[in-house]
Amino acid sequence: QKEVEQNSGPLSVPEGAIASLNCTYSDRGSQSFFWYRQYSGKSPELIMSIYSNGDKEDGRFTAQLNKASQYVSLLIRDSQPSDSATYLCAVAYNAGNMLTFGGGTRLMVKP
Amino acid sequence: ETGVTQTPRHLVMGMTNKKSLKCEQHLGHNAMYWYKQSAKKPLELMFVYSLEERVENNSVPSRFSPECPNSSHLFLHLHTLQPEDSALYLCASSQIAASYEQYFGPGTRLTVT
Repeated sequence: QKEVEQNSGPLSVPEGAIASLNCTYSDRGSQSFFWYRQYSGKSPELIMSIYSNGDKEDGRFTAQLNKASQYVSLLIRDSQPSDSATYLCAVAYNAGNMLTFGGGTRLMVKP
Repeated sequence: ETGVTQTPRHLVMGMTNKKSLKCEQHLGHNAMYWYKQSAKKPLELMFVYSLEERVENNSVPSRFSPECPNSSHLFLHLHTLQPEDSALYLCASSQIAASYEQYFGPGTRLTVT
């Protein structure tokens, strides 16, 4: 059973702080990793993808991948109230078509 | 239209009805997916079509029947559903053998009465 685990939260951070979201996965053969943001009542929106060990930065977002420890994280710098949403971690276990999603972490950024 | 579109956005149906959900992608992708999102549960992959061929059926009940007439369109035919099938149904598309990034449509909120 391939699993993707996330703390459901809520994770509460003050505006301007760094939010750190974590995800662990069970299959060492995983190749591709994605972070989606989902606002309440909306569909998931892709915000980051990462394929190799290390950090990948895009604006205020940084994805970090450590395949040896089987975890992937998302850092959000200078958090804004508009970042308040559920963040979904997704992992592809084969050639990439099949994504397994974690349950999501709810982030609350307080003004 | 841009991205991935889905119709209808909301659907209420009785257990004896037959209805269809439609998805269309305008991204030039060659793979399409149906997901189910229920309250308090992770996104569940239901069906995958790659190059218009079904490659995954995650033990989905036969009351859900997908159809992919071409690489841009995907349907989910529904019949004799149960109340527990009430959920948000999401369509996604991706370009296989490339980045594999999946892009979602807005979803259809289905309520079975």
